[in-house]
Amino acid sequence: DGGITQSPKYLFRKEGQNVTLSCEQNLNHDAMYWYRQDPGQGLRLIYYSQIVNDFQKGDIAEGYSVSREKKESFPLTVTSAQKNPTAFYLCASARTGSNTDTQYFGPGTRLTVL
Amino acid sequence: AQSVAQPEDQVNVAEGNPLTVKCTYSVSGNPYLFWYVQYPNRGLQFLLKYITGDNLVKGSYGFEAEFNKSQTSFHLKKPSALVSDSALYFCAPRDSSYKLIFGSGTRLLVRP
Repeated sequence: DGGITQSPKYLFRKEGQNVTLSCEQNLNHDAMYWYRQDPGQGLRLIYYSQIVNDFQKGDIAEGYSVSREKKESFPLTVTSAQKNPTAFYLCASARTGSNTDTQYFGPGTRLTVL
Repeated sequence: AQSVAQPEDQVNVAEGNPLTVKCTYSVSGNPYLFWYVQYPNRGLQFLLKYITGDNLVKGSYGFEAEFNKSQTSFHLKKPSALVSDSALYFCAPRDSSYKLIFGSGTRLLVRP
């Protein structure tokens, strides 16, 4: 997990609220990613960014938004439009967006909707 | 459709015995293949990857994986299992696009 921090570790949200999950990396990586993990399932890609001020939707982007204003930061906002947001959220980064570069993951944020 | 299959939901081995976690994939082109491990309530840790070259790849913590192009497999192995290896293991192929393809993983349980 070293070099990638996610906060908070646990987050509780009331229905109808937007919440923002933080992801910071000090690895000087160009590419950053957000994944969602549900119990007993693998990871699904929400958004990714290969360079500052640019990002693309992944497989399950609806109800989420991101920004990439700084190289080291890639915050994820879970909006009220996301119908089932309770999940474990993982941020990852890679040196570049190349297919051969390894993605390194942060420790995750567990979001629970009350 | 591009996919990965880890046919065993759980693998049980005794400490000191060899272990194998199986992975087969279906992706277009020449895939790049990754193995990750996840401990409870933690992020994924990178174990090893195959890009090109030798079909036997050595990684972290004594793990290795064998790439078999004809069988489209990339099985994870370790000669002698430790109790601390107990965790959730993910095989993740990556094709010519940006995306890692994840299955539901295999839970490894190493009993003392």
